[in-house]
Amino acid sequence: GQQVMQIPQYQHVQEGEDFTTYCNSSTTLSNIQWYKQRPGGHPVFLIQLVKSGEVKKQKRLTFQFGEAKKNSSLHITATQTTDVGTYFCAGPVGSGGGADGLTFGKGTHLIIQP
Amino acid sequence: EAGVTQSPTHLIKTRGQQATLRCSPISGHTSVYWYQQALGLGLQFLLWYDEGEERNRGNFPPRFSGRQFPNYSSELNVNALELEDSALYLCASRRTGRYEQYFGPGTRLTVT
Repeated sequence: GQQVMQIPQYQHVQEGEDFTTYCNSSTTLSNIQWYKQRPGGHPVFLIQLVKSGEVKKQKRLTFQFGEAKKNSSLHITATQTTDVGTYFCAGPVGSGGGADGLTFGKGTHLIIQP
Repeated sequence: EAGVTQSPTHLIKTRGQQATLRCSPISGHTSVYWYQQALGLGLQFLLWYDEGEERNRGNFPPRFSGRQFPNYSSELNVNALELEDSALYLCASRRTGRYEQYFGPGTRLTVT
């Protein structure tokens, strides 16, 4: 079945430094979603990318979808303590665009040292 | 609006027993998803219910089953529990026509 690989597994940064997590799929994705899970919390939807080469920004967060729609990245500029958590990318399990379920990467744990 | 709710928060069972987990979606959401989040394995898709029917299931054995009720709430049943079933079980709901899933707080299942 489709797999979504995510690196790195852990990322330690000093507060104020930038952070990037990368997501790669073995197959072309119709879309990719990103979620954030705070420690002890549940995943919260951040964004969906659909178009080849798409770039979307949410304040200090920049999301990119590769030209081949097989990879994606999330970049956080000038991290803050509120950014702590695990960031997951997720692709559709089948051809239903994600409506039929999501296959998640294992996530990148962002740890911020003050 | 109220979020996705799940019960119980914690559940402790012994190997071989059955577990029942419950989920209430956000009002107006007809799709319910179940995911297993086991340590080191990340989030794995279990089941998708929509309009009372099972629409898709992930790579899990048949002892993982469930149903969706007319009010769109859902139940996940795990039979013949094994130690490796210990995990956080997350329920998510989605509104028809939208793509984002809203997750509940989860049920922590411990099998001893």
